[in-house]
Amino acid sequence: GESVGLHLPTLSVQEGDNSIINCAYSNSASDYFIWYKQESGKGPQFIIDIRSNMDKRQGQRVTVLLNKTVKHLSLQIAATQPGDSAVYFCAETPLGGKLIFGQGTELSVKP
Amino acid sequence: SAVISQKPSRDICQRGTSLTIQCQVDSQVTMMFWYRQQPGQSLTLIATANQGSEATYESGFVIDKFPISRPNLTFSTLTVSNMSPEDSSIYLCSASSGGARETQYFGPGTRLLVL
Repeated sequence: GESVGLHLPTLSVQEGDNSIINCAYSNSASDYFIWYKQESGKGPQFIIDIRSNMDKRQGQRVTVLLNKTVKHLSLQIAATQPGDSAVYFCAETPLGGKLIFGQGTELSVKP
Repeated sequence: SAVISQKPSRDICQRGTSLTIQCQVDSQVTMMFWYRQQPGQSLTLIATANQGSEATYESGFVIDKFPISRPNLTFSTLTVSNMSPEDSSIYLCSASSGGARETQYFGPGTRLLVL
């Protein structure tokens, strides 16, 4: 079936370094993608989104890159801070509108 | 973005009982959804809560087990019926103000433990 998967289940980075979290999606019909951050004991928090007509979108300290050719999505976090420690999920919306979540990557920031 | 609250935030229940989870949005929204997140795992869509009509369930989820109501554009409930320990999970409500491809915002979740 259709699925969204992440290359790395865990990622440990040093405070101040840049983080890159990757995601592969399988549905070529997906036209909208979202990155969520989920801290322990909380619901997913919207970080940034991108539509399929874009390759890159920047937010505050975060950048999402979309490569439709290889169906790959990445989230880059600049100058990673301890408060960035969380599980990050990518999600895609194929035609039909359902949001399909990837498995998640746990980001751990070492001080 | 919509602000979403859920009640209860957590509960411990006995098997065979039912629990109703409430989801309240601070503004009218087009779409509301219910997800389940088992410990250490990703989110799985249970159903789309349709205002004024029956919910649309995903494969593996049925109305008898997870009845859903959505009486208006800001409120929905999910009931977990005849609970078993396998129902122990986090249940999350989400909402979007646009169409199905618009950003979904999530509530804080309800942490359910079934003994």
